Amino acid sequence: QQQVKQSPQSLIVQKGGISIINCAYENTAFDYFPWYQQFPGKGPALLIAIRPDVSEKKEGRFTISFNKSAKQFSLHIMDSQPGDSATYFCAAQGGGSNYKLTFGKGTLLTVNP
Amino acid sequence: GAGVSQSPRYKVAKRGQDVALRCDPISGHVSLFWYQQALGQGPEFLTYFQNEAQLDKSGLPSDRFFAERPEGSVSTLKIQRTQQEDSAVYLCASTGFRDPFLFFGPGTRLTVL
Repeated sequence: QQQVKQSPQSLIVQKGGISIINCAYENTAFDYFPWYQQFPGKGPALLIAIRPDVSEKKEGRFTISFNKSAKQFSLHIMDSQPGDSATYFCAAQGGGSNYKLTFGKGTLLTVNP
Repeated sequence: GAGVSQSPRYKVAKRGQDVALRCDPISGHVSLFWYQQALGQGPEFLTYFQNEAQLDKSGLPSDRFFAERPEGSVSTLKIQRTQQEDSAVYLCASTGFRDPFLFFGPGTRLTVL
């Protein structure tokens, strides 16, 4: 059972464009939704995170939009740069196992110069 | 150290061999996690320690997998009688008590031939 579904699997964007990655979750007990960025050969690194009491969080060029009723959240990368090329994972945490992160399958983002 | 370190970074084992993977968490971090990341997939939870106590091992795939953290700092993930399906990147992460921000190490890439 996949509790966090992520799409698309891969995404190609031109430099300066907007990258959008979507995730949907099933467990309504989740109460923390981070996004991780992973470069080849490296571990995932926390990018930005949101709790369900807000609908949007922005940090620099990165924005999370959260729709609690639809159980969906998305990552927007504005003014995408070639250095943003990486794999992005959404994740969710909370409920009875509030220490455990459940990850999506990842989106491979390529930003062309 | 500045971050989570893992060793070895790469390990090649023949099927049936035992392997031990080491994780050095960030100093002072109470919580330690092991995740398994198959090629092209998101990390999957294996086990969780709070100090030296293993509070959750529900993600360990079989009884061939064993993890320990005897002094509440360094942790070792041991895989006995390795199988080809054990080939993956094994990620270690640490965080403060009840802190949702996980810091991941670079991972150990295990290849079982």
